[in-house]
Amino acid sequence: KQEVTQIPAALSVPEGENLVLNCSFTDSAIYNLQWFRQDPGKGLTSLLLIQSSQREQTSGRLNASLDKSSGRSTLYIAASQPGDSATYLCAVLNQAGTALIFGKGTTLSVSS
Amino acid sequence: GAGVSQSPSNKVTEKGKDVELRCDPISGHTALYWYRQSLGQGLEFLIYFQGNSAPDKSGLPSDRFSAERTGGSVSTLTIQRTQQEDSAVYLCASSPPTHTAIAKNIQYFGAGTRLSVL
Repeated sequence: KQEVTQIPAALSVPEGENLVLNCSFTDSAIYNLQWFRQDPGKGLTSLLLIQSSQREQTSGRLNASLDKSSGRSTLYIAASQPGDSATYLCAVLNQAGTALIFGKGTTLSVSS
Repeated sequence: GAGVSQSPSNKVTEKGKDVELRCDPISGHTALYWYRQSLGQGLEFLIYFQGNSAPDKSGLPSDRFSAERTGGSVSTLTIQRTQQEDSAVYLCASSPPTHTAIAKNIQYFGAGTRLSVL
């Protein structure tokens, strides 16, 4: 059974720091991997999607990498801002493409 | 509407009552998904629809849970004889047909329905 783990569970940093969020998964047979952002009381916003054949994706200050063979992904956030404060969720899509399996998230707090 | 719409946004019910949660996916999206987010737990997959059929129901936790989709659009998740452990945020997502040019299998999420069972 696929399991997704995110470390750390919570992270507090001062504004301007670069930071890395980690995600690991137990079964490398995935369709893709997505990073989401969740704000309190809100739905999920997709940040980056990496297809299983890809190694990384970039969007603005965000960069996500995927090492499928080792079952790992990282989300790199450059020059963090208070507006980045949220919970970041990693999810892998099963090979059938029918279900996302989520980690429990990393709650990020960026102080000004 | 522009995004996935879920109603109600909040629902409080008494133990033993039945509840229905509604999801309006993005127009033209053929795939629809239900997830549950319990306090302290991660998001758990419940069911996947392609059109009006549900080829993957593997996440439904018990036979008290059921879902249907009509007209390839609106979906209803029904929980019968609710229990306190059913209290959670129920999220719906949809995604466009897989033959479309945009990145495949991106799921667009609604804001969720917060269910509280007293």
